[in-house]
Amino acid sequence: GAVVSQHPSRVICKSGTSVKIECRSLDFQATTMFWYRQFPKKSLMLMATSNEGSKATYEQGVEKDKFLINHASLTLSTLTVTSAHPEDSSFYICSALPTGGAYEQYFGPGTRLTVT
Amino acid sequence: AQSVAQPEDQVNVAEGNPLTVKCTYSVSGNPYLFWYVQYPNRGLQFLLKYITGDNLVKGSYGFEAEFNKSQTSFHLKKPSALVSDSALYFCAVRDTGFQKLVFGTGTRLLVSP
Repeated sequence: GAVVSQHPSRVICKSGTSVKIECRSLDFQATTMFWYRQFPKKSLMLMATSNEGSKATYEQGVEKDKFLINHASLTLSTLTVTSAHPEDSSFYICSALPTGGAYEQYFGPGTRLTVT
Repeated sequence: AQSVAQPEDQVNVAEGNPLTVKCTYSVSGNPYLFWYVQYPNRGLQFLLKYITGDNLVKGSYGFEAEFNKSQTSFHLKKPSALVSDSALYFCAVRDTGFQKLVFGTGTRLLVSP
């Protein structure tokens, strides 16, 4: 149980294009999902908290117009990196907090984004 | 503000020996504490958590952790390490009333045969 998927697992795109990453909770509902960014050999940096049916809450320093988050259902959140630049290349990981009082978040396998 | 410290970038241990990965935390309220493991190019896998109750919590793959309120620590332990335990381990804390997790910088565990 408590499986979270991400798609795609790896994507290469050209500078200036946009790319969408999907995060799905497969066997549970999640009112709240989180998007993280991880640099090589570094810890996870929380980018934003995604709440179903409402606007995402972005962490300080994260551009909300660049990293668009949509949480349209209780099992799906999407992160769209708009007008991607090489410095956006990173490992993006989502997590989901099961609805109903669970304490631990469950993480997706991550998406490796490379912007050329 | 919440914070987590993992003082060791890397821990080396021989297979079969006990292992400890250290974690200390700081929160304003009561802490919810977590350990996650990450294998290369993968997301994080949940190992165990402390919410309340018994200070010694047992988790997946034979790992356990001890909550020590006076020392504000939550060290991860395993009695006998396996080579397959080699991975990156993250300690995380969540303050009561908040949903966000704050992660430590991670500790790489290397178990040699």
